[in-house]
Amino acid sequence: DVKVTQSSRYLVKRTGEKVFLECVQDMDHENMFWYRQDPGLGLRLIYFSYDVKMKEKGDIPEGYSVSREKKERFSLILESASTNQTSMYLCASSWRVNYGYTFGSGTRLTVV
Amino acid sequence: KNEVEQSPQNLTAQEGEFITINCSYSVGISALHWLQQHPGGGIVSLFMLSSGKKKHGRLIATINIQEKHSSLHITASHPRDSAVYICAPRPNTGNQFYFGTGTSLTVIP
Repeated sequence: DVKVTQSSRYLVKRTGEKVFLECVQDMDHENMFWYRQDPGLGLRLIYFSYDVKMKEKGDIPEGYSVSREKKERFSLILESASTNQTSMYLCASSWRVNYGYTFGSGTRLTVV
Repeated sequence: KNEVEQSPQNLTAQEGEFITINCSYSVGISALHWLQQHPGGGIVSLFMLSSGKKKHGRLIATINIQEKHSSLHITASHPRDSAVYICAPRPNTGNQFYFGTGTSLTVIP
């Protein structure tokens, strides 16, 4: 089975901190995605990457950046965390563009 | 942008009932993903379909591309089916799926 592993299940950070969320997949998938999930809004795409060192903005990239230095790892960075970034963050990967996703178990981030 | 609507938003059923969850979307699509999310957050892929019907165990997914509509059916529902079910169509243009807000299903013993 493909595994997508997110480094933390729960995180609490202070306003203004730099936050790193890590995601690793073990099946050589080309595409990786970061979503946030908020009640009543569904999953919204923050950034995605279709290859090493490549990235594209999703629907809500403001306040976030990403890094993909190796194929298996896709990092989401909150440069200066704010309370409105409190959310569930989900990483996903897919083999190719038109294939289904495999999701990680999510990181629930609270910014205080 | 693709608008995705799921109905109902919340559903409570008795164990054994037949359940239908609907998904409508606004643009032409190349595929549609049905996903299941249990309390605690993990999301599991159930089906990916682009036409017709797929069946896996007690789950059946159908899609009508012309009518821009898909349904997920659960036969002989069980309390372990309690979860949020999310539909995610993929527009013909672009690289991403768009996600509905989900249908929260509770199956009572």
